[in-house]
Amino acid sequence: NAGVTQTPKFQVLKTGQSMTLQCAQDMNHEYMSWYRQDPGMGLRLIHYSVGAGITDQGEVPNGYNVSRSTTEDFPLRLLSAAPSQTSVYFCASSRQAWSSPLHFGNGTRLTVT
Amino acid sequence: GDSVTQMEGPVTLSEEAFLTINCTYTATGYPSLFWYVQYPGEGLQLLLKATKADDKGSNKGFEATYRKETTSFHLEKGSVQVSDSAVYFCALSNTGTNAGKSTFGDGTTLTVKP
Repeated sequence: NAGVTQTPKFQVLKTGQSMTLQCAQDMNHEYMSWYRQDPGMGLRLIHYSVGAGITDQGEVPNGYNVSRSTTEDFPLRLLSAAPSQTSVYFCASSRQAWSSPLHFGNGTRLTVT
Repeated sequence: GDSVTQMEGPVTLSEEAFLTINCTYTATGYPSLFWYVQYPGEGLQLLLKATKADDKGSNKGFEATYRKETTSFHLEKGSVQVSDSAVYFCALSNTGTNAGKSTFGDGTTLTVKP
């Protein structure tokens, strides 16, 4: 059982470049979300989705776009990368938005130079 | 909005010592509470959870009790092992207008020495 799969594991971008971080889950979970993890700041919610075709903003959405065309996939797009977006990004899914625990991918470490 | 405050780290203990990591929260309504653990180079994984007041979550010797009167969910283990060295996150997930927006503490790094 693969769970939540994130690609790539590592990425280096130059300022202004764009890219898409991929996330796929095979557990038929309705809820999916993206977090960024920065030292001493815990995890901060970027965007989330409660089902296919529905997305909403989290705590730090600026500079990122998402879409949810299928239940399985929830890609995160960086429109024009900035050094402030250097971080570790985690995708997570759960059966529902409230009492179900989150299942996390292993993360994408992004460096913007 | 909702918030989670965790005991600051890092925490260093000797093997077989007693562990407590404090966690308090601020939230409206009746959130679910979680402890997650993160090992180096990996994503977070669920350690235990509690969904209502006075519930006790437990797993792998770790325990935490949902205390609504003190808005706390402290993590405890009676005898830690070297393999427990990791980063521990307290988190809550709420209903209503905050549904879907899980909130995490800053994490506490635990190092257990032989």
